Amino acid sequence: GQQVMQIPQYQHVQEGEDFTTYCNSSTTLSNIQWYKQRPGGHPVFLIQLVKSGEVKKQKRLTFQFGEAKKNSSLHITATQTTDVGTYFCAPPNSNSGYALNFGKGTSLLVTP
Amino acid sequence: DTEVTQTPKHLVMGMTNKKSLKCEQHMGHRAMYWYKQKAKKPPELMFVYSYEKLSINESVPSRFSPECPNSSLLNLHLHALQPEDSALYLCASSQGGLAGVYEQYFGPGTRLTVT
Repeated sequence: GQQVMQIPQYQHVQEGEDFTTYCNSSTTLSNIQWYKQRPGGHPVFLIQLVKSGEVKKQKRLTFQFGEAKKNSSLHITATQTTDVGTYFCAPPNSNSGYALNFGKGTSLLVTP
Repeated sequence: DTEVTQTPKHLVMGMTNKKSLKCEQHMGHRAMYWYKQKAKKPPELMFVYSYEKLSINESVPSRFSPECPNSSLLNLHLHALQPEDSALYLCASSQGGLAGVYEQYFGPGTRLTVT
């Protein structure tokens, strides 16, 4: 399947600071999805990016898809304690077509 | 209703037991998935059903046996599991069979412990 590298693995910020996680692929991606998993919870869909250079915003969250469609990022402005969780990028699995190929995730801890 | 339900929430079983995990969705989704997630790891795909037919088996050992009785239900039958199979088992569904196009809705998972 399509392998993606997600960095950083962990991030600890003070409430109010910004946060960014990056997802990088060696191959061109047709699209990419982002999910959030709260501690003890299950993954919840955040967004899907399809177009080259696409930028989408959801309140304090900004998602970008690179021009070459090989990388993506999620940026959170002014983090809050409710942002705590693990953020996964997930491009389609090129071998199976139906499945997602989750990155290893970035665990975000926000302290007040 | 945008909910995927899973039962049981927790399951403890011995290595000689036979048990089943159940998943249900009423969103009219035609693709359903089983994932396995170990602590601090991403979900790992096990099986995909598309239109009630098994379309993907990611080289999962035969001690895991999926079943899709109808378009709303997905089961995972467990037999002769090993302690290393202890994990969170997540069910998900999506509108169609192309994961790249449709978002996946995940259930809360079954926390499985094999003793």
